[in-house]
Order: sequence, then structure tokens, then C-alpha cells
Amino acid sequence: DARVTQTPRDKVTEMGQEVTMRCQPILGHNTVFWYRQTMMQGLELLAYFRNRAPLDDSGMPKDRFSAEMPDATLATLKIQPSEPRDSAVYFCASGFGGQETQYFGPGTRLLVL
Amino acid sequence: KQEVTQIPAALSVPEGENLVLNCSFTDSAIYNLQWFRQDPGKGLTSLLLIQSSQREQTSGRLNASLDKSSGRSTLYIAASQPGDSATYLCAVLSGSARQLTFGSGTQLTVLP
Repeated sequence: DARVTQTPRDKVTEMGQEVTMRCQPILGHNTVFWYRQTMMQGLELLAYFRNRAPLDDSGMPKDRFSAEMPDATLATLKIQPSEPRDSAVYFCASGFGGQETQYFGPGTRLLVL
Repeated sequence: KQEVTQIPAALSVPEGENLVLNCSFTDSAIYNLQWFRQDPGKGLTSLLLIQSSQREQTSGRLNASLDKSSGRSTLYIAASQPGDSATYLCAVLSGSARQLTFGSGTQLTVLP
């Protein structure tokens, strides 16, 4: 049963610390998305990659957030330095092509104190 | 900028009822529309995907319709069950960057 995996599932950190979230897309999928979900803003697209190349990261605060795909099996989202307003659930999703269903991971619940 | 609205924000129904969830979007130039289900503390599960050229899709007790010209979609759930309790999110794929824009969801509770 292929699925997207994310680590860690939960992260509590103090303001100013670096946070790294990891995602393993479904094998064979060539598109990876990072979303952030909060009560106030709902689900927002932060960045996405196709064939490991970043296509759009306009939803991401550039000064503190960075997203990479070191290889086809790993996507990372880093926050440095973290702030309390970054507290949210971060989802990774993968898909194939441009118009197909996206498959979501279970999310990383981040709390920045 | 694409905006997606879902009404109602919350809905509570007794088991066995048929129900309709609504979704509207501002830019009708979409590639497709998807309905997702999200359980508390979990990720999203895709329920139905309707391509822009289609009018509806069915899966079991679920039927989703799309009226692209009017910017509306509905998700019909027949014979609701307590296990259907979840938040249902509508999302449209649009724009040159082919981004998914999500609605804020409808929180459904089916009472036994």
C-alpha cells in the first residue's frame, strides 16, 4: 500500500530554533507539494517540485523557509529561525503529472513556543 | 486570484439522511476539481476528482457534480453513516502554475 510518509509527526521547539521536516513521496511520483494548514488560513500551498525542480515557492516566506529535493525519494522543508506564527500542520503531497490526484501524507504538527 | 468557498462550514445530520455539500470558486478556468476528506489529526484523502470537461463523478454513495461556467460543485452523500463524519474539503486546480486552491471545508457530523 503505497503512501506518502512524513517525519517527524510532531515537533515542539523554541522560537529561533531550526526545524527540518522530511517527506518521502510515493515511488514513481514526479510532483511533490508542501502545504501548511492553520485554523485561520486553512490549507495553503507553500512550494512544489516537479522532477525535483522547484516550480513555485511563492507561497513560502523566503527569508526563513527553504524547500529542497536532494533526490527523488526525499523532500525537505526547513524553517530557520522558527517563530511562534509558524505553528501549524505541514503536509506533504505527491502526484504524477499536472492534473492527477494528489496523495497526502499524515502531516507534521509543529508547535513553536 | 482563485478563491474557493464552502457552505455550510458545519453540518450535523442524523444517520441515514442524504446530504449535499456546496463549493464555489471564482475563476472558472480550472483544470479539475477535487473533493477530499480529512479526519481529525490526519492527512487528506482524495474522494473524487472531476476533470474540467466532466459534469460529475460517482464513487459508491458519493456523487460530485461540476458546473464550471457557474463556478459551482456539489458533493452528494447518500444514506449517511456515522463513519462519514469528517471535514470535507473542495479544491480546484487552476492557474499557469497549476496550483490547488482549497476551500475552508465543511465539518460533517453524522449522528447515530
